[in-house]
Amino acid sequence: EAGVAQSPRYKIIEKRQSVAFWCNPISGHATLYWYQQILGQGPKLLIQFQNNGVVDDSQLPKDRFSAERLKGVDSTLKIQPAKLEDSAVYLCASSFTGAGNIQYFGAGTRLSVL
Amino acid sequence: LAKTTQPISMDSYEGQEVNITCSHNNIATNDYITWYQQFPSQGPRFIIQGYKTKVTNEVASLFIPADRKSSTLSLPRVSLSDTAVYYCLVGASYNTDKLIFGTGTRLQVFP
Repeated sequence: EAGVAQSPRYKIIEKRQSVAFWCNPISGHATLYWYQQILGQGPKLLIQFQNNGVVDDSQLPKDRFSAERLKGVDSTLKIQPAKLEDSAVYLCASSFTGAGNIQYFGAGTRLSVL
Repeated sequence: LAKTTQPISMDSYEGQEVNITCSHNNIATNDYITWYQQFPSQGPRFIIQGYKTKVTNEVASLFIPADRKSSTLSLPRVSLSDTAVYYCLVGASYNTDKLIFGTGTRLQVFP
């Protein structure tokens, strides 16, 4: 069974530039999550989708971050404009609906903002 | 919110049993307890999940006392490849307020 796919694996940009990350969840998983993980910390939930609807985006900095999951499968997370403090690993995870907390994570995208 | 507290780090030697305890005093009735493992440059990986009593799989055991205010992840006979960060997560899928990862426990296994 294929896991959660993310791309790119690494991205280096300058501050004020824009960047986008892509995630393809495990087939059949209705719930998709985006996390931000800063070095030395645990992942922090940015946004959760149930199919193509947003369940929770309370910790998403909406002035610069946006995310979509138009067809209820793939998702993109965008940052525009990026700040130095956005340097982190961005993780995508997916799960079946009602599966408790069993989330399956991708390898993440490491973003460096210079 | 069901906040969790874990030791920041632990050291062990190959072949020993390692027990990592997580405190979650405010756990709610419908909350599950889930543990993840994370290696450098990888996303967290599900290890085990439980609701009460004891759960065992091919990788680990999870012990949950009757009051559910804590849980213990037990790794039998660890090897060098078990060196990783271990996260305790308490919550239920539909209540995203409770999907909170702490800083985890950094386990270092020595030869």
